[in-house]
Amino acid sequence: SAVISQKPSRDICQRGTSLTIQCQVDSQVTMMFWYRQQPGQSLTLIATANQGSEATYESGFVIDKFPISRPNLTFSTLTVSNMSPEDSSIYLCSVVGQGDGHEQYFGPGTRLTVT
Amino acid sequence: GQNIDQPTEMTATEGAIVQINCTYQTSGFNGLFWYQQHAGEAPTFLSYNVLDGLEEKGRFSSFLSRSKGYSYLLLKELQMKDSASYLCAVREDTGGFKTIFGAGTRLFVKA
Repeated sequence: SAVISQKPSRDICQRGTSLTIQCQVDSQVTMMFWYRQQPGQSLTLIATANQGSEATYESGFVIDKFPISRPNLTFSTLTVSNMSPEDSSIYLCSVVGQGDGHEQYFGPGTRLTVT
Repeated sequence: GQNIDQPTEMTATEGAIVQINCTYQTSGFNGLFWYQQHAGEAPTFLSYNVLDGLEEKGRFSSFLSRSKGYSYLLLKELQMKDSASYLCAVREDTGGFKTIFGAGTRLFVKA
């Protein structure tokens, strides 16, 4: 299994500012993803973080709003830019295990509140 | 389009058996997952099905019928700690391990 840590665990931010969330994995992984989970809702995939190239964004998410970095196989960052209250959510980093790829693991999440 | 349906809430009694159903329509199919998520925590992996049939793992079993776009998660000998949300998720066959999640079923286990 993979152990994933995220920083910060929570933050309260003002409208118009930006926050960068870090994701660290204890082993090298090929596939890394960023999800959002709004209160009472399920997980929505924001993007796939690709090592050495630009992230692949899902419909409704753009690089200017959610820039992602993936400098190596164990680390990624997601920035939530120019925040508004609608961005209040839990942001989760996720990786696919290096074994048979059947298991997908999630970090503990970053709880963001925008005021 | 992509669509994953599961009941919003279910209630069951401690010691009983509960079945949570999931139907899906997705762009390709490369496996179906069930996750458990307690309030305020990250989802944890429960099961994976890619072939038709039943996969059993302790008190938890998961069934898949690809032709019907249907799966269920079966929980036996329910315990109070099983109160959680159960997420059905489908991995698309896009070569990129993209996984789409259903809205989740909140299970309440009562004494």
